[in-house]
Amino acid sequence: AQSVTQLGSHVSVSEGALVLLRCNYSSSVPPYLFWYVQYPNQGLQLLLKYTSAATLVKGINGFEAEFKKSETSFHLTKPSAHMSDAAEYFCAVDSGTYKYIFGTGTRLKVLA
Amino acid sequence: DGGITQSPKYLFRKEGQNVTLSCEQNLNHDAMYWYRQDPGQGLRLIYYSQIVNDFQKGDIAEGYSVSREKKESFPLTVTSAQKNPTAFYLCASSIVEASYGYTFGSGTRLTVV
Repeated sequence: AQSVTQLGSHVSVSEGALVLLRCNYSSSVPPYLFWYVQYPNQGLQLLLKYTSAATLVKGINGFEAEFKKSETSFHLTKPSAHMSDAAEYFCAVDSGTYKYIFGTGTRLKVLA
Repeated sequence: DGGITQSPKYLFRKEGQNVTLSCEQNLNHDAMYWYRQDPGQGLRLIYYSQIVNDFQKGDIAEGYSVSREKKESFPLTVTSAQKNPTAFYLCASSIVEASYGYTFGSGTRLTVV
């Protein structure tokens, strides 16, 4: 069975500071991994995805994530937070079933 | 521009009434999905369909029904059997390829009073 765990339901960072949002997965086969962002009362937008082509994946808005098989992790990072990054972020996994399993989300707050 | 349209954005219904949420896509995607979102619980899969005239139950299908008569449309009916229907409902679509990624609609917030 596949699953996703996002550590920290709320994360606060200062504007300009490093953003680190944690995601650990469980999968019996090589997974496909995704990060999505959601702004209030809106749908989810794809930030980036891991499809086994490269372990370091770059996405939109300056975000990137690194797939670490040994740690079963796919943490999302951004070197310098901007006020516009305040949103909720979801990690998702698909082990080839075409049904994604989503984490419970991490709400990012950016402090001025 | 291609995309997914969910309507209405806000919906209010009295307890005991059935209500249908609309989801239409013009992306030519074969697969469509309905998720329910509650605070602190992430997204939970209600139903999904990978081809016209076929659909499968997700993890929380009880009290919901769907149809897939056209490739573009995947309406969700919240029935009176759903014990706690107040939630944010998201529709998504994709090609049937695990690595492709979903495209989401902007959601419908249903409030039952």
